Amino acid sequence: KQEVTQIPAALSVPEGENLVLNCSFTDSAIYNLQWFRQDPGKGLTSLLLIQSSQREQTSGRLNASLDKSSGRSTLYIAASQPGDSATYLCALNSGNTPLVFGKGTRLSVIA
Amino acid sequence: GAGVSQSPSNKVTEKGKDVELRCDPISGHTALYWYRQSLGQGLEFLIYFQGNSAPDKSGLPSDRFSAERTGGSVSTLTIQRTQQEDSAVYLCASSLRSPSYANTGELFFGEGSRLTVL
Repeated sequence: KQEVTQIPAALSVPEGENLVLNCSFTDSAIYNLQWFRQDPGKGLTSLLLIQSSQREQTSGRLNASLDKSSGRSTLYIAASQPGDSATYLCALNSGNTPLVFGKGTRLSVIA
Repeated sequence: GAGVSQSPSNKVTEKGKDVELRCDPISGHTALYWYRQSLGQGLEFLIYFQGNSAPDKSGLPSDRFSAERTGGSVSTLTIQRTQQEDSAVYLCASSLRSPSYANTGELFFGEGSRLTVL
């Protein structure tokens, strides 16, 4: 059974800092991995989708990497801003199960 | 529509009442998903539709939960005889293509329906 872990559960950084959020998974036979952002009381916003055959994806200040062999993905946020404060979730498709989510990392960027 | 639309955004009901939650996916998206997010918990998969068919209903927590989708578009999640443990945010998502429910393609979520059972 696929298990997805996100560490740390919460992170607080000063504005302008570069940071990395971690996602690990137990079954490396994945189709794709997706990073989402969730603001309080809101739905999920898709940030980046990495297909199984890809190593990374970039969008603006965000860069997501995928290393299937080690069962890890990272989301790199450059030059963090207070507006980046949210919960970040990773989720992945694998095997015969629907999209499995981690519990998220709650990020606070302090001005 | 421009995005996934869910209604109601908030619903407060008394224990034992039935509730209906509605999801209107992005136009042209054939795959539709329901998830539940409880306080402090991760997202729990409930059910998946490809067109009007739901190949797997095993994620539904009990037989009080049911869902349907008509015309390959709008979906309704119904909870009968609600219990306090049903209180959660119910999220709907759609995707353009979904070869199987294990390979969703990029998912787009609605804002959710927050259900509170008193």
